[in-house]
Amino acid sequence: KAGVTQTPRYLIKTRGQQVTLSCSPISGHRSVSWYQQTPGQGLQFLFEYFSETQRNKGNFPGRFSGRQFSNSRSEMNVSTLELGDSALYLCASSSTVGGGANVLTFGAGSRLTVL
Amino acid sequence: KQEVTQIPAALSVPEGENLVLNCSFTDSAIYNLQWFRQDPGKGLTSLLLIQSSQREQTSGRLNASLDKSSGRSTLYIAASQPGDSATYLCAVSRIVDNQGGKLIFGQGTELSVKP
Repeated sequence: KAGVTQTPRYLIKTRGQQVTLSCSPISGHRSVSWYQQTPGQGLQFLFEYFSETQRNKGNFPGRFSGRQFSNSRSEMNVSTLELGDSALYLCASSSTVGGGANVLTFGAGSRLTVL
Repeated sequence: KQEVTQIPAALSVPEGENLVLNCSFTDSAIYNLQWFRQDPGKGLTSLLLIQSSQREQTSGRLNASLDKSSGRSTLYIAASQPGDSATYLCAVSRIVDNQGGKLIFGQGTELSVKP
């Protein structure tokens, strides 16, 4: 079956712009989590959605937001981009809320460069 | 606050060698621990998941152990191959996060296996 699909794979933005990233989970998976990966901070949790509800949120400013649709697809948005937002944004899905004993399956990521 | 540390940060070994990667965490109230592999510029591939009630998991040449009381996990790779070259990450999920998809990652061990 198809894996986790993230679009776009690469994008370049300038400071002050906003960006929307999309994640389509594995069919049947209802939980979607988002992570930011940078060389300095490593992998950091952004937020998790299950059945269109945000269940957990990491320590990121309000410029970072997300949502989940009824078909479990998720989007995250970053407004007023800063240079430090340049990162690989990873999405993961699982079949139960928050993974539990089930493994998180990650997408290939969206690499954002802010100039 | 849960912190995850991986040692060493980088490791280079000749092909065929058995090796051990280490992961330590500060809070033993974990729900599970996962080991992932990440190839350059790619997403994460789950290798093994150990639930908090388990002591180890095995998959092929990989064996992961968990000692909650000491806050440690090891990933053992037998008969290493050049194709094993990647960054290996361990991550824990905390009980307090509702067994969520919120994982706390270590900084990773970059493994290079020389032919």
